[in-house]
Amino acid sequence: DQQVKQNSPSLSVQEGRISILNCDYTNSMFDYFLWYKKYPAEGPTFLISISSIKDKNEDGRFTVFLNKSAKHLSLHIVPSQPGDSAVYFCAASSSNTGKLIFGQGTTLQVKP
Amino acid sequence: DAGITQSPRHKVTETGTPVTLRCHQTENHRYMYWYRQDPGHGLRLIHYSYGVKDTDKGEVSDGYSVSRSKTEDFLLTLESATSSQTSVYFCAIGLAELSGEQYFGPGTRLTVT
Repeated sequence: DQQVKQNSPSLSVQEGRISILNCDYTNSMFDYFLWYKKYPAEGPTFLISISSIKDKNEDGRFTVFLNKSAKHLSLHIVPSQPGDSAVYFCAASSSNTGKLIFGQGTTLQVKP
Repeated sequence: DAGITQSPRHKVTETGTPVTLRCHQTENHRYMYWYRQDPGHGLRLIHYSYGVKDTDKGEVSDGYSVSRSKTEDFLLTLESATSSQTSVYFCAIGLAELSGEQYFGPGTRLTVT
């Protein structure tokens, strides 16, 4: 049973527009949520995270929103740039385990 | 910046042979992890370690073993490689125990023929 799901395998947006990547989870014990970005032939790199006690966290062009009642989080990238083209993974953790559970990933393509 | 190296970066091996992948960190992080990445599955945890000689299983541990005899090294062994273990393997270190933030190595692409 997949506890973290990214239902959109791919997303294509125009440069300068907003990219919205979505993630759903099932385990209410998760208390941190993270987004990672991955370029081909490289390891994933940490992008942004949010604690379950918050509903929004912003870092430059990247904002993560958390809706606990819907068990849903989203990553907004504004404005999108061609260099943002990558695979984005959503991940969740519960502080009593220290382990991350990843979604399947969404491939974002930002067209110039 | 945390430093992680993985070796080898690429390997082709035959079914039934043993394979060991190495992860080396340059700092003193307690937690280390091994993942595999496959299309449609994201990253799945194989094994992790919370200290020297302290290891535990992840969600896809069958067919894999690990060892950590020094803080800086975490080894992943496939005792008898199978084609289903063809994958990209990532090592990670834990940077923040509370949030679970991890820093990943560059990966090892393993092909089992």
